[in-house]
Amino acid sequence: DIQMTQSPSSLSASVGDRVTITCRASQSISTYLNWYQQKPGKAPKLLIYGASSLQSGVPSRFSGSGSGTDFTLTISSLQPEDFATYYCQQSYSILMYTFGQGTKLEIK
Amino acid sequence: EVHLVESGGALVQPGGSLRLSCAASGFTFSSYWMSWVRQAPGKGLEWVANMKQDGSERYYVDSVKGRFTISRDNVKNSLYLQMNSLRAEDTAVYYCARVYVLAAGGHYYYYMDVWGKGTTVTVSS
Repeated sequence: DIQMTQSPSSLSASVGDRVTITCRASQSISTYLNWYQQKPGKAPKLLIYGASSLQSGVPSRFSGSGSGTDFTLTISSLQPEDFATYYCQQSYSILMYTFGQGTKLEIK
Repeated sequence: EVHLVESGGALVQPGGSLRLSCAASGFTFSSYWMSWVRQAPGKGLEWVANMKQDGSERYYVDSVKGRFTISRDNVKNSLYLQMNSLRAEDTAVYYCARVYVLAAGGHYYYYMDVWGKGTTVTVSS
C-alpha cells in the first residue's frame, strides 16, 4: 500500500504569509497527487489535481508542485478564508486511494 | 448545478447493518467513477470504496473488505454503500464523491471533484 505523509501536522500563520505544506509518498506516484481543503463541518473541496493543475474556480494564490515522492502545496499570500485543514491524496493506484493525515492551518 | 446528496446515516448497534445512498443530479451519472470517503470524529479523511461507471470494477480499503459493498443504479442516478457487521471504528461521516478522470499526455488523472455534504453513521450500543 502507498502511504502518504504530510508535514507539518499543524501550522500557525498570519494573513499575508506565504505557506508551504509538504506531502511525501512511500513510493513514486509520478504526478498522481491531489490536494483538498476542508473547513470544519464541511465537505472537502478539490484545490489541485495532477500535482500542479489548479481546479477551476480556485484562487491563483494556491499552487502545487512536485513529482515522484515529494510534493508541496503553497499558498502565496494567506487570506482569512484559507484557514482550514489540507489533505493530499494519491490516485496512482486506483485499487486504493490514500489520503495524507492532514495539515491544520491556524491563525497566529 | 451538480449535486450529490447522501442519506441513510443512523445510530446502529455493533454487528448491525446499514445502507447509505447518494443521489446525483446535474451531470451524467453513468459516465463517472464514484467513491465513498469517510471521516471519523476529529480524524482525517479515509477513502472507503470506488466503483467504475458500469460496475465492472470495485475497490475497497482493506478495513471494510468483506463487510461493505459499493453499488450503483445508473437509471436512478444513485450510488449505494451496504455496510454489514458494523464496528465502533466505522463511526464516521460518510461522503460520496464524483471521480473525474482526465486524460492528458498518455496519463489518466483521477480526482474527486464533487462531494456531497455527508451523512453520519454512529455505531454504538
